[in-house]
Amino acid sequence: QVQLQESGPGLVRPSQTLSLTCTVSGASVTSDDYYWSWIRQPAGKGLEWIGRLYSSGATFFNPSLRGRVAMWRDSSKNQLSLTLKSVTAADTAVYFCARTSHGSNFFAPWGQGTLVTVTS
Amino acid sequence: DIQMTQSPSSLSASVGDRVTLTCRASLSVSGYISWYHQKPGKAPYVLIASVSNLQSGVPLRFSGSGSVTDFTLTISSLQPEDFGTYFCQQSYSVPFTFGPGTTVDF
Repeated sequence: QVQLQESGPGLVRPSQTLSLTCTVSGASVTSDDYYWSWIRQPAGKGLEWIGRLYSSGATFFNPSLRGRVAMWRDSSKNQLSLTLKSVTAADTAVYFCARTSHGSNFFAPWGQGTLVTVTS
Repeated sequence: DIQMTQSPSSLSASVGDRVTLTCRASLSVSGYISWYHQKPGKAPYVLIASVSNLQSGVPLRFSGSGSVTDFTLTISSLQPEDFGTYFCQQSYSVPFTFGPGTTVDF
């Protein structure tokens, strides 16, 4: 059974960099069978797709965040990483990692999510 | 970006009711629509993919339909565990986008 678990600091100062990790079990982050996404959700609001990491290591980001976001994987730890630079209060949200299987077009499973609050 | 809208934004229903939720895309998304259910404090989980494909483990009371820009999620007989928020999502083009959600309560 595939499981994803996000982790990282719950508080980040404005203008600093947000860094999160998603630890994957039951599937390889380097497998050609999967793509990996980060998605966020401000409290009480909707979902925003941040970007996708392909098995090749290539990435595609939401243009709304392009220039501030980076994603990569650590195959030795079977982890995904997300960084978001120059954060503001608008980046306060629950951040999820999620998998898409090759040939499908939906996100499943998701991690439980981790809350990041941008505050001074 | 393809904008997704959902209606209603919220609804109150009773156990056993037939409930229909609507999702509309600003451009054609072909068949690349998925539906998710989210309960408070939990991650969303997929109910239906590709408009009408019920995912493994999802009860048969859920069904999806639609095409081009207009899609529906129907719950044939609402159960107590069905409360929460339902999101539609398009994966036709990047950036992938979600609707704002429909909250179902009792």
